Parts: sequence; structure tokens; C-alpha cells
Amino acid sequence: DIVMTQSPLSLSVTPGEPASISCRSSQNLLYSNGHNYLDWYLQKPGQSPQLLIYTGSNRASGVPDRFSGSGSGTDFTLKISRVEAEDVGVYYCMQSLQTPYAFGQGTKLEIK
Amino acid sequence: QVQLQQSGPGLVKTSQTLSLTCAISGDSVSSNSAAWNWIRQSPSRGLEWLGRTYYRSKWYNDYAISVKSRISINPDTSKNQFSLHLNSVSPEDTAVYYCTRAQVRGYFDYWAQGTLVTVSS
Repeated sequence: DIVMTQSPLSLSVTPGEPASISCRSSQNLLYSNGHNYLDWYLQKPGQSPQLLIYTGSNRASGVPDRFSGSGSGTDFTLKISRVEAEDVGVYYCMQSLQTPYAFGQGTKLEIK
Repeated sequence: QVQLQQSGPGLVKTSQTLSLTCAISGDSVSSNSAAWNWIRQSPSRGLEWLGRTYYRSKWYNDYAISVKSRISINPDTSKNQFSLHLNSVSPEDTAVYYCTRAQVRGYFDYWAQGTLVTVSS
């Protein structure tokens, strides 16, 4: 099974400053069609997770452009260009290349 | 707009069967481009994918190895919903359970509200 590892596990950021979360996969997530099967989710307090980024770098509908995803193969990054108060929550990466789908441990983002 | 509405008991006794239902609106459980999943979340296990059902000219299921001997996920086309049955539960199965829709590329674009299921004697 594929194992996902995130870092850091927590992050405290001043509003307006950037933030970055790393995600590493134990196997290559780049498929032969050229897509990386790596997705990012945000779970806001008291809510279900919501999709932010799919196939590595595609923003989901309604996601602000301050969120961006990058990387390929086994190393991926989620960047927030300017953190806002509404961005607090836990961020998860997930591999969707093959079942069993696997999530990272989560990165908790707090506002300073 | 797709909506998923979960229902089912929040308390299950040890060794019995956990059963949840996910009603779908705005899409079809028989869609050829979606898969219908169950995921759970607990402090000890984090987010854990349990399994899925999907239709591609016939019905398919995939299950996580950790629960494969105890789980079944079944579509109900007459009610446009799907269900989770997890038998022989123990306190380790206590978690928030979510049903989700996955696209062909695998990502979960719609999630239900979640159901906290507590397993206790």
C-alpha cells in the first residue's frame, strides 16, 4: 500500500504571509497519462473535508487562486500565497492513484 | 448540485453490525463516471478509506484490506442510495463515518456531513 507523509504537522502563520505544506508518497503517483494522482483537502473546524486541489495542481471549483499545488512523482507541495483567517483547519494530501486510497496525517494551520 | 445525506444510528453495540445509508441527489448511484465511497476518521487512524461501489456496465466493489472480511457496500438503485455494513464491530471502529462521491480520476468532490458512530457494550 502507498503511504503518505506530510510535513510540518502544524503551522502558525501571520495573516497575509505565505504558507507551504509538503507531502511525500512512498510510490510514484505519476501515471502514464501524465497526471499525478495527488489531491489536497482542507477540513475546517467542525466540517467535513473539502476538496482544494486535484491531480496535483488543479484547483477545485470555488477555491481561491491563493491556493496552488505543485510537484510530481513522489514529492508535492501545497502553497497558500497569502494566508487569511478563513484558511484555518487541517490540510490533508491523498493519493488517488490506486486503492486503498491513502491520506497523509494532516497539517494543522493556525493563525498567529 | 450533488448532495449526499447520511443516516443511521450513532451507537452500536460491540460485536453487532454498523449500518449507514447515504442518499444521493443531483447524481445517480448508477453513474458511469462516479464511484461511491465510505471513509472514516478517528484520532488513532486519521482519515481511512474503507471501500467503494461503482457501476461500469456491471457493479464493482473495492474494500480496504483492514476491513475486507467484515464490510459490504451495496447500491440501491430504486432509492438512489448506497449503504455501508460493517459487522463484528469493536470499540476500535468508533469513528466519524463519511460517504463521498469520487470522480473517474479518483478525487472526492462531494462529502456528506459525517456520522459519529460509537461502538460500546
